[in-house]
Amino acid sequence: TQLLEQSPQFLSIQEGENLTVYCNSSSVFSSLQWYRQEPGEGPVLLVTVVTGGEVKKLKRLTFQFGDARKDSSLHITAAQPGDTGLYLCAGEINDYKLSFGAGTTVTVRA
Amino acid sequence: GAVVSQHPSRVICKSGTSVKIECRSLDFQATTMFWYRQFPKKSLMLMATSNEGSKATYEQGVEKDKFLINHASLTLSTLTVTSAHPEDSSFYICSATGGNSYNEQFFGPGTRLTVL
Repeated sequence: TQLLEQSPQFLSIQEGENLTVYCNSSSVFSSLQWYRQEPGEGPVLLVTVVTGGEVKKLKRLTFQFGDARKDSSLHITAAQPGDTGLYLCAGEINDYKLSFGAGTTVTVRA
Repeated sequence: GAVVSQHPSRVICKSGTSVKIECRSLDFQATTMFWYRQFPKKSLMLMATSNEGSKATYEQGVEKDKFLINHASLTLSTLTVTSAHPEDSSFYICSATGGNSYNEQFFGPGTRLTVL
């Protein structure tokens, strides 16, 4: 059973459009991490959010942590083909362990 | 900083043989390392948590005798898939945490195991 519900599962958009990926849970996390993974490679850490209500920006990517630290979102503005990949959210549960969402496969068409 | 390597990146073996995968933290000491398994287009499934000098903690449903984990030093953990069978074919990924303030995990590039 996954603690984190990630949606949508698949997202295909045109270059220049915006997209949002959601991560929801009934559990409270001490921190939540977002990763991006390309085929045949390991996940790469994008950001860690730790404070309820926190908003972090990484160029065209905006990450938000819910006030209650149970949910998070990733928003990409003006998506580019280089943003294509599998996006994973992961919440820290205990003993440094992470619980991963199912992932969102994002495809940005040129 | 925070680079994790895995070796080999790909391995093909015959059914019944054992395969060892190494995971190294290159520029930090990893207090804890994790081993994951990932199926195509799926998320990561945690197999076990490994701390240096102690026995690994396996997740429910993961066979300890099948997947042997050794964490010999603060920079090296190994996963040995014993008597591999085709159903063990998968993408195996390790991660390491150095106990920094957010307990962030840094992932290796993964090992593609194919058992014939």
